[in-house]
Amino acid sequence: AQSVAQPEDQVNVAEGNPLTVKCTYSVSGNPYLFWYVQYPNRGLQFLLKYITGDNLVKGSYGFEAEFNKSQTSFHLKKPSALVSDSALYFCAVSAILTGGGNKLTFGTGTQLKVEL
Amino acid sequence: GAGVSQSPSNKVTEKGKDVELRCDPISGHTALYWYRQRLGQGLEFLIYFQGNSAPDKSGLPSDRFSAERTGESVSTLTIQRTQQEDSAVYLCASSLANYGTASGNTIYFGEGSWLTVV
Repeated sequence: AQSVAQPEDQVNVAEGNPLTVKCTYSVSGNPYLFWYVQYPNRGLQFLLKYITGDNLVKGSYGFEAEFNKSQTSFHLKKPSALVSDSALYFCAVSAILTGGGNKLTFGTGTQLKVEL
Repeated sequence: GAGVSQSPSNKVTEKGKDVELRCDPISGHTALYWYRQRLGQGLEFLIYFQGNSAPDKSGLPSDRFSAERTGESVSTLTIQRTQQEDSAVYLCASSLANYGTASGNTIYFGEGSWLTVV
């Protein structure tokens, strides 16, 4: 069975500093990895995904993530944090479903707080 | 529409009543999913549709929960005899379908239906 772990419930960072939100995964076969962001009282917004190719994936709002196969990690990063980045971040791994869909298994989420 | 649309956005219901939640996926997306997010918790997979069939309904928590889909369009999630533990955000999502090996098509989520059972 596939699983995702987000070891930090909360990450605090000062505006302008780099941020990292950690994610590790467990899956048989090739992983398909995703990051989503959830702002208060909103649904999930897609940020980026890793399917194959370059280990560094660039996504929306200046976010990027680095796929590391040996460490089974897919950490989310941003060089310079903004207060508006404060939100709940979910890492997810995908598996194929019968009939062709993708089932996402989510981590428990990491609350990012960016302060002035 | 441009995104996944869900209604109602908020629903307060009395324990024991039935509720229906509606989802309108992105046009052209044949795969549709329902997830549940309880307060302070992660997302639980409920059911997946490919067209109007549901190959995977393994996440439905009890027989009080059911879902249907009309063709490759609207889906409704029905909860019968609601209980307080059903209070959650019910998120619908859609994607293009993969055929054969997984290709990691992006799954796009709606804003959710916030259900409170009192």
